[in-house]
Amino acid sequence: QKEVEQDPGPLSVPEGAIVSLNCTYSNSAFQYFMWYRQYSRKGPELLMYTYSSGNKEDGRFTAQVDKSSKYISLFIRDSQPSDSATYLCAMENGFGNEKLTFGTGTRLTIIP
Amino acid sequence: DAGVIQSPRHEVTEMGQEVTLRCKPISGHDYLFWYRQTMMRGLELLIYFNNNVPIDDSGMPEDRFSAKMPNASFSTLKIQPSEPRDSAVYFCASSPGTSGPQETQYFGPGTRLLVL
Repeated sequence: QKEVEQDPGPLSVPEGAIVSLNCTYSNSAFQYFMWYRQYSRKGPELLMYTYSSGNKEDGRFTAQVDKSSKYISLFIRDSQPSDSATYLCAMENGFGNEKLTFGTGTRLTIIP
Repeated sequence: DAGVIQSPRHEVTEMGQEVTLRCKPISGHDYLFWYRQTMMRGLELLIYFNNNVPIDDSGMPEDRFSAKMPNASFSTLKIQPSEPRDSAVYFCASSPGTSGPQETQYFGPGTRLLVL
């Protein structure tokens, strides 16, 4: 079993819809949770990060972490065609070793 | 800043040949990471360096893979001999310091490797 599980999709939604992306994990030591966005033929770029459980909002994006369920989510409101990308969750145990464990990524397409 | 620079962007080689991938991290960044990305396995950490010293190479698949960082501005990932199953996109990333994941990892554009 992988430490981080992520539905690979693909996921297609109409423009303006709310998108929900999710990851589950098995390592209870993870404390930092991140979402990276990767456009086609580009490297991943950090979108948001959260520490421990709770919510964090940044514009149209909201990240949620539920450590009791080992489940994290990324919500995108008012989705735009420019949001079409692969979204990867990543986690780190917070002990300063800089080592991230990534999910396999969910490919998202926003249909105009 | 030009960001993380990787070369070559694309590499096609035949099985058994030596492949060398190159990376120039962002100036001033203390950490450098090498990742491999495939559809089946996603993004996997191969090795990372702190101040040019390898810290964790547990992700290196086997002895055919080696990585060096001779100075703060250059790193190589070498595969010798290459095999078709090494075909993947290889990313280099760098990050500024030791404060945890809020010190973002900045990824390069990747090298697409195809081993025939």
